[in-house]
Amino acid sequence: ETGVTQTPRHLVMGMTNKKSLKCEQHLGHNAMYWYKQSAKKPLELMFVYSLEERVENNSVPSRFSPECPNSSHLFLHLHTLQPEDSALYLCASSQDVRGPHSPLHFGNGTRLTVT
Amino acid sequence: AQKITQTQPGMFVQEKEAVTLDCTYDTSDPSYGLFWYKQPSSGEMIFLIYQGSYDQQNATEGRYSLNFQKARKSANLVISASQLGDSAMYFCAMRLNAGNMLTFGGGTRLMVKP
Repeated sequence: ETGVTQTPRHLVMGMTNKKSLKCEQHLGHNAMYWYKQSAKKPLELMFVYSLEERVENNSVPSRFSPECPNSSHLFLHLHTLQPEDSALYLCASSQDVRGPHSPLHFGNGTRLTVT
Repeated sequence: AQKITQTQPGMFVQEKEAVTLDCTYDTSDPSYGLFWYKQPSSGEMIFLIYQGSYDQQNATEGRYSLNFQKARKSANLVISASQLGDSAMYFCAMRLNAGNMLTFGGGTRLMVKP
C-alpha cells in the first residue's frame, strides 16, 4: 500500500463520545500534519509532528488530542466535541517539516459529523 | 505573514479547451514554494505541481503548467485539453523557507462541460 491512508472515511459521533482518527503514511516521510477543512473556509492547520515530536499546535481546543507513536502513524483523539467541529479532517505527510520545496501528500480524509 | 488569494470561486470550461486558474500571493520571504492541489468530491487533496521562488523556468507536469510571474506575485495554473475528470476544487498553496505551514487559498471550483 502506498501514500497516505486515513481511517475511518466517515464518522458520526455524539457530543459525549470518544473516538479516534487514524493516519498512516507509507512514503518514508519525516513530518505529519492534521488539517481541518470546514465548509466555505480555507484549510486550517491543526498540528504538526516532526519525527514523532509535536512542533506546532495551532491554537486547537483541548478536545482534540493528537498522538504520534512513530514517524509513520498519527492519531487524532476526539472527545466531547461540538457540532461546529463537523468537518473533513485531512492528514498529510512531507519529507521535511521545514523548507519551501517539500510538498505535502494528503490522505482521503475523514468526514466527521458531530450530532 | 503569508497570504494566498484565489479570486475565482467557480469556473466553467468546455471539454478539450484550456483553462487558467488564478492565484496571487503575498510574502516578504524571498525563498518560498508554490503548490497546486486538486480536490475531487471524494475529498482527497492531490498534489499537482510545484514552483520554487528561485526557479527560472515555469513548472510543467503533463497537462498542468504553472504561469509564474514573480514581480506580479502570481502563480496561475494552466490546464490544457480539459477532461471531464478535471472537474474538482483546485487550491493554490504556499510554503515559506522559514516555518512549517502550508498556507492555502480559498479554492476555485472547476466544472468541465461535455
